Amino acid sequence: SQTIHQWPATLVQPVGSPLSLECTVEGTSNPNLYWYRQAAGRGLQLLFYSVGIGQISSEVPQNLSASRPQDRQFILSSKKLLLSDSGFYLCAWKGDSSGNTIYFGEGSWLTVV
Amino acid sequence: DAKTTQPTSMDCAEGRAANLPCNHSTISGNEYVYWYRQIHSQGPQYIIHGLKNNETNEMASLIITEDRKSSTLILPHATLRDTAVYYCIVRASYSGYSTLTFGKGTMLLVSP
Repeated sequence: SQTIHQWPATLVQPVGSPLSLECTVEGTSNPNLYWYRQAAGRGLQLLFYSVGIGQISSEVPQNLSASRPQDRQFILSSKKLLLSDSGFYLCAWKGDSSGNTIYFGEGSWLTVV
Repeated sequence: DAKTTQPTSMDCAEGRAANLPCNHSTISGNEYVYWYRQIHSQGPQYIIHGLKNNETNEMASLIITEDRKSSTLILPHATLRDTAVYYCIVRASYSGYSTLTFGKGTMLLVSP
């Protein structure tokens, strides 16, 4: 069966510090991978998606970046965090083995102080 | 993706059926109806999806009207753990890039 994991689950970081959130998918190959953000009291916003290794598309301009160094690994990064980067970050995947249904990870809570 | 309309909130007594409606009057012929739910502080959980026939799985049933302009998610015996925000999403299901557009959903509160 397929599983998705992301970590860390919670993170408190000072303004201006770097960020790295990691996501891995098991049990499938060549998945589409996504990073979403959910700010407090708001809906999910798509940040990045990837259809293959090294292929990253950004949906909104921001000081975040994403990378996909391996087929089932997706990383969300920032060189210098802003207060507005606080929120709930979700990794998700879709593939042939999911019947094209998108499945989400457990989420990572980021608080920038 | 077609826009959906859901009630902001609903209440249900524990053990009773919860019927969550969704309107999607502009749905296209190749678009599916998906339902997810999000329990507080967790990632969205996939529940069920369908095209035009009614669907049932271990979690819920999905009833789609014949004209496909609306649907209802049914939780047959709601429990306290079903308290969550439920999202109805309409999207084309095909290989290649596609994403989900989440609206505000329905906050379902299941009470003892």
